[in-house]
Amino acid sequence: GENVEQHPSTLSVQEGDSAVIKCTYSDSASNYFPWYKQELGKRPQLIIDIRSNVGEKKDQRIAVTLNKTAKHFSLHITETQPEDSAVYFCAAQSYSSASKIIFGSGTRLSIRP
Amino acid sequence: DSGVTQTPKHLITATGQRVTLRCSPRSGDLSVYWYQQSLDQGLQFLIQYYNGEERAKGNILERFSAQQFPDLHSELNLSSLELGDSALYFCASSVARGIQETQYFGPGTRLLVL
Repeated sequence: GENVEQHPSTLSVQEGDSAVIKCTYSDSASNYFPWYKQELGKRPQLIIDIRSNVGEKKDQRIAVTLNKTAKHFSLHITETQPEDSAVYFCAAQSYSSASKIIFGSGTRLSIRP
Repeated sequence: DSGVTQTPKHLITATGQRVTLRCSPRSGDLSVYWYQQSLDQGLQFLIQYYNGEERAKGNILERFSAQQFPDLHSELNLSSLELGDSALYFCASSVARGIQETQYFGPGTRLLVL
């Protein structure tokens, strides 16, 4: 069945450095890729998304890249700050799956002061 | 605040019991989704309703069922509860059918089965 793999499961970076989280998906019909941030004890919140007709999207310190040929996409956070500490989930959705969305297993990002 | 509300916030019950979780979507949103998040686990999609009809099904157990009412609120029914059903249950909503749409999550219901 459809699957989304996310790496790494944990990531610790120095404040001010960049963080990169990578995901691969199995369903070649996937065409929508959102990223969610979940702070401890809180709800997941969408931080950025990308559609299959775009290779890269940027929003201030956050960017997402998509390689449809290789079936992988990545989240890039630059100039990390303490408030970036959270669990990040990637997800993939294909129209053929009747809008079912598959989440990755999550990456726990810690920012060291 | 996403505009999605869930009740109750916390629920403690015993094995074998049945509980109902409630979700009210954002005003104007037609789709409601249910997710299960176990301790230190990712989000498992359970089921989606669109305008009262079941639209997509994920890893939902036969002991679980859901429905969406004419006023668009949704309920998730969990029966014959087991210890392993202890988890955080989120609902989310989106504007339409859910294709390439942002999902807005509620605050979740934390279920503890003893």
